[in-house]
Amino acid sequence: DQQVKQNSPSLSVQEGRISILNCDYTNSMFDYFLWYKKYPAEGPTFLISISSIKDKNEDGRFTVFLNKSAKHLSLHIVPSQPGDSAVYFCAASARGGGADGLTFGKGTHLIIQP
Amino acid sequence: DTGVSQNPRHKITKRGQNVTFRCDPISEHNRLYWYRQTLGQGPEFLTYFQNEAQLEKSRLLSDRFSAERPKGSFSTLEIQRTEQGDSAMYLCASSLVGSPQIRQNYGYTFGSGTRLTVV
Repeated sequence: DQQVKQNSPSLSVQEGRISILNCDYTNSMFDYFLWYKKYPAEGPTFLISISSIKDKNEDGRFTVFLNKSAKHLSLHIVPSQPGDSAVYFCAASARGGGADGLTFGKGTHLIIQP
Repeated sequence: DTGVSQNPRHKITKRGQNVTFRCDPISEHNRLYWYRQTLGQGPEFLTYFQNEAQLEKSRLLSDRFSAERPKGSFSTLEIQRTEQGDSAMYLCASSLVGSPQIRQNYGYTFGSGTRLTVV
């Protein structure tokens, strides 16, 4: 059973526009959420995180929104740049974030069109 | 520091053979994690260490898998009697937890992984 779901395997966005990547989760014990970016032949790179006590966290061009009642989070990238083309993974933790194993979604392949 | 280092990058082995992978974490990090990623899936948690103590193991970690971190620095992951289903990317990650200064960021630092192919 997939506890963290990324229902869009791929997403194509024009350069300069906003990219919105979505993630749903089923485990109500999750209290920390993270987004990772992965290029081919490299390990995932941490992007941004959010605690369940917040509903928004912003870092430069990246903003993560959390809707606990809907068990939904999203990553907004604005403006999108060609270097943002990668696979994005949503991940969740049930114990304070980073302290134990993360549960990952299957990823969304973001393609930024010039 | 060059980040998390994993060796080898690629390993091809025959079914039934044993393989061992090595991970060197970021030197000041006290936690080390092993994940496995198969095609089209996200990374799946296998196990993690706090210093030299192995604190959690996933049910994915069968008896054929063993991980060690003998001196709280580098770690090894051994797979005995490999099966074709073991073919995957094995990822190592490290993090520093426990310090109030780093509470803002619980993101791991991943290595580039070891790609295992069992033929």
